[in-house]
Amino acid sequence: DQQVKQNSPSLSVQEGRISILNCDYTNSMFDYFLWYKKYPAEGPTFLISISSIKDKNEDGRFTVFLNKSAKHLSLHIVPSQPGDSAVYFCAASGTYKYIFGTGTRLKVLA
Amino acid sequence: DAGVIQSPRHEVTEMGQEVTLRCKPISGHDYLFWYRQTMMRGLELLIYFNNNVPIDDSGMPEDRFSAKMPNASFSTLKIQPSEPRDSAVYFCASSFGLAGVPGDEQFFGPGTRLTVL
Repeated sequence: DQQVKQNSPSLSVQEGRISILNCDYTNSMFDYFLWYKKYPAEGPTFLISISSIKDKNEDGRFTVFLNKSAKHLSLHIVPSQPGDSAVYFCAASGTYKYIFGTGTRLKVLA
Repeated sequence: DAGVIQSPRHEVTEMGQEVTLRCKPISGHDYLFWYRQTMMRGLELLIYFNNNVPIDDSGMPEDRFSAKMPNASFSTLKIQPSEPRDSAVYFCASSFGLAGVPGDEQFFGPGTRLTVL
């Protein structure tokens, strides 16, 4: 059973617009959440994280929002750039390990 | 630092053969993780080590899979015998600490794409 779900396998967005990637989780014990970005033929790289004591964390063009009551987090990229085209994984942690989602492939169209 | 290094990058083998994947973690990292990526299940943790000691191997799918970390700078993941359903991308990652706090993010290697025919 997937404890971390990314229900959209792919997303296309026009350059300059906002990209919103979503992630849902089922375990209320999760208290730390991360987003990783993966380019083809490379390993995932850490992008941004958020603790459960916060509901928003911002880093440049990237903002992660956490809605604990809905067990939902989202990653906003504004403005989107062609270089943001990649697969994005969300991950959640409650004990000692990360549980990853299946990923969303973002394509930013020039 | 060169980051996490994995070899080989690609491996094609026939069913029944032994496969060994290799990983060199980032120097100074105390934790090493092996993951498998598939379309259906995303990134699954197979096993992790702390200071070269295997701590949790509950993600290892079968006895055909084994992992070792003989020293702080080297780990192997072995599949014997390999089967077509083992075909996936295998990632090694390392970190200073366990998940859950800033600064303990995992750094991933480029992965080994395994194809078992």
